[in-house]
Amino acid sequence: EVQLVESGGGLVQPGGSLRLSCAASGFTFSSYWMSWVRQAPGQGLEWVANIKQDGSEKYYVDSVKGRFTVSRDNAKNSLYLQMNTLRAEDTAVYYCARILYSGGYYRDYWGRGTLLTVSS
Amino acid sequence: DIQMTQSPSSVSASVGDRVTITCRTSQDISNWLAWFQQKPGKAPKLLIYAASTLQSGVPSRFSGSGSGTDFTLTISSLQPEDLATYYCQQANSFPPGLTFGGGTKVEIK
Repeated sequence: EVQLVESGGGLVQPGGSLRLSCAASGFTFSSYWMSWVRQAPGQGLEWVANIKQDGSEKYYVDSVKGRFTVSRDNAKNSLYLQMNTLRAEDTAVYYCARILYSGGYYRDYWGRGTLLTVSS
Repeated sequence: DIQMTQSPSSVSASVGDRVTITCRTSQDISNWLAWFQQKPGKAPKLLIYAASTLQSGVPSRFSGSGSGTDFTLTISSLQPEDLATYYCQQANSFPPGLTFGGGTKVEIK
């Protein structure tokens, strides 16, 4: 059974840093693109970062470029999101998701999410 | 970037009603579109991919159609458990991102 479990969320002051983790199981982690998606309170879904199977390609939404870094450790079946210089508008539930290629690219499995609150 | 426009932003319907949600993209994406269901307090769930293919386990009252720039998600007979927000996602232009529509909240009258 595919499982994705996020951790590391919490309350952080503006300007602070935090690292989110996502533990994957039930599939060959190193064979898939992975993604971070966030959802601000009462808002829609926004993709944050995507990383290729071997970590050689990383992409970010404009609003987090230069502040967030996505990485992965295929030996540990883990995905990470290092978040620096956090702002109030980064407050959201952060989901990790697997990206399946089946003609097109689809986020087919999602974790339950971890909540980040940026506030003083 | 491909822009995604969903309508309506919300819909209220009775149990048994037919509900239709539309998604329009700013570029031709062939049939590379997905639909997600997000129930309150839960993670999104993939419902449909390739515009019309139901993900395993999804009830047959859900269907998707369309190609090019115009797509539709239909719930043929609304059930109480369908209370959720539905999102479309383009699946064609990647990388860098796979953008979502703004969502459609389905409420039960």
